[in-house]
Amino acid sequence: DGGITQSPKYLFRKEGQNVTLSCEQNLNHDAMYWYRQDPGQGLRLIYYSQIVNDFQKGDIAEGYSVSREKKESFPLTVTSAQKNPTAFYLCASTMGSGANVLTFGAGSRLTVL
Amino acid sequence: KNQVEQSPQSLIILEGKNCTLQCNYTVSPFSNLRWYKQDTGRGPVSLTIMTFSENTKSNGRYTATLDADTKQSSLHITASQLSDSASYICVVSARGTGYSTLTFGKGTMLLVSP
Repeated sequence: DGGITQSPKYLFRKEGQNVTLSCEQNLNHDAMYWYRQDPGQGLRLIYYSQIVNDFQKGDIAEGYSVSREKKESFPLTVTSAQKNPTAFYLCASTMGSGANVLTFGAGSRLTVL
Repeated sequence: KNQVEQSPQSLIILEGKNCTLQCNYTVSPFSNLRWYKQDTGRGPVSLTIMTFSENTKSNGRYTATLDADTKQSSLHITASQLSDSASYICVVSARGTGYSTLTFGKGTMLLVSP
């Protein structure tokens, strides 16, 4: 079945450590996105990529980094520079631009100890 | 600034009852409006997507309406089931060049009680 796979589902990190969240899709979608979800808030865009080897900052990119070396993969690194990294992270993809319906992964919950 | 406001923030209803969730937006220029259902600890799943010219769209027991003049949308759930317990998120897309900007509401948390 086609879809988006995020891993790990749960991740614990000590302060000062970088962590990488994986996002893989087999939908042949062009665009991929990373969102952060905090309790009581709407989803906020971290980074997005419309084509391979190209990506743009979203609204809250500080402390995060991404790469898009393959069409299917869009990993997100949460660096030690991110001041409040504990959150639920969602990866999404869509064919074409964001005007189309987003398909979301199941999410990764990061907790900083 | 583009904004999406949802109400109520949370709602509890008895199984089998109907309910209506509201979404007001100030997004310009408008492209489309989507409703997503998000189960706890999962990613959102699309229920409907509506463009400017569409007033009503149904997906099973879910019916979404759109009034582009007043910039309001509603999601009506008929004969609720326990599995309807989730957060319902309204998302509005603005037209732009290339990437389309999405504005997310904070969601309405629905609990269907037996």
